[in-house]
Amino acid sequence: DAGVIQSPRHEVTEMGQEVTLRCKPISGHDYLFWYRQTMMRGLELLIYFNNNVPIDDSGMPEDRFSAKMPNASFSTLKIQPSEPRDSAVYFCASSLMGDYSSPLHFGNGTRLTVT
Amino acid sequence: AQKITQTQPGMFVQEKEAVTLDCTYDTSDPSYGLFWYKQPSSGEMIFLIYQGSYDQQNATEGRYSLNFQKARKSANLVISASQLGDSAMYFCAMRDDSSNTGKLIFGQGTTLQVKP
Repeated sequence: DAGVIQSPRHEVTEMGQEVTLRCKPISGHDYLFWYRQTMMRGLELLIYFNNNVPIDDSGMPEDRFSAKMPNASFSTLKIQPSEPRDSAVYFCASSLMGDYSSPLHFGNGTRLTVT
Repeated sequence: AQKITQTQPGMFVQEKEAVTLDCTYDTSDPSYGLFWYKQPSSGEMIFLIYQGSYDQQNATEGRYSLNFQKARKSANLVISASQLGDSAMYFCAMRDDSSNTGKLIFGQGTTLQVKP
């Protein structure tokens, strides 16, 4: 299996622009998570899905952030409009519940820089 | 509310020696899982080891072992025979299995540097 695939690896954009981050989870996994990592706040859970349905989006910082999972093999995280404080590494992770020992499998992350 | 605490921002260890990275947690749920991840400078998150709250024995995975002390709510990671490639950030994380949400809450991490 190729693992969790995120694109792009790096994104540099100007303040006010729309940014879309993409994620392909591991095939067969039924949970998908979006995390954000910054020096100040560490790893924060933004939103997660179960069987393509958003379960908890309480970590989404503002209405500028939105996430979708149109099918089991694809999810997007969109920031519109972007701001410099959104600069961070955004991770997508997937897991298969039913086995409590099953860890979250992370993608390589998207490093977002908003200037 | 659940919380994970890693009190060591940075640690040094001599190559080939063992090192313990501390992790304490707080939860009122009886069923939970504890995880350790490694994040090298390249940035990816690598799963290392898992401990369930009901597991009777401490988890081990190769050179990694977890010193699980349930009464003290601690889940320290022990790395034996440190290698230069162990230099990385290490995160402790907890999952509440009672609510079956699957989400992990992470500590702030510990940076480990292995000296030759």
